[in-house]
Amino acid sequence: EAQVTQNPRYLITVTGKKLTVTCSQNMNHEYMSWYRQDPGLGLRQIYYSMNVEVTDKGDVPEGYKVSRKEKRNFPLILESPSPNQTSLYFCASSRLLGQGYGYTFGSGTRLTVV
Amino acid sequence: TQLLEQSPQFLSIQEGENLTVYCNSSSVFSSLQWYRQEPGEGPVLLVTVVTGGEVKKLKRLTFQFGDARKDSSLHITAAQPGDTGLYLCAGEGSNTGKLIFGQGTTLQVKP
Repeated sequence: EAQVTQNPRYLITVTGKKLTVTCSQNMNHEYMSWYRQDPGLGLRQIYYSMNVEVTDKGDVPEGYKVSRKEKRNFPLILESPSPNQTSLYFCASSRLLGQGYGYTFGSGTRLTVV
Repeated sequence: TQLLEQSPQFLSIQEGENLTVYCNSSSVFSSLQWYRQEPGEGPVLLVTVVTGGEVKKLKRLTFQFGDARKDSSLHITAAQPGDTGLYLCAGEGSNTGKLIFGQGTTLQVKP
């Protein structure tokens, strides 16, 4: 089944403790992206990657890091999480950019930072 | 900064009624995508429109892309309780790496 898999689904952590949210897709998609979703603010892009070793900032990149060493994986790293990073996070992938292929989203990771 | 204004934000209607959701921007997009999201799950793609003036139908849902590729609408005919959910429009910039989302429309269809 074609899908984007995120782990974990739920995570509660403490301020300052480094964490990684994994994202993997099995569709050989070139493009991958991370979003956070907050009430009243909608979905906002954190980082995206057009291909292996090519990453760029989205609209809200502060406090996050990403890497794209393999085509299928695009982990999101929070080096020193803070409470304002409590949110619902989604990873998404698409076959090609700007071609109207549509995005496939993961099921989400609900992160709470206390 | 590209923005997508989606309206209305909330809509509560009776089963059988028709409704239209609008998505407007001052920017031109290479495509306009519509998603539906259930609570606690990721958005699921409903349709993508890429050509100005394009109309696509998905059963009782009709999607239209504006001639200038700056706006779009979603029309639901004879809404059913199963249509309840969050509907999101998203504009894709040409080779910019960005998919910009509207704020979403929460639709409740009462039996």
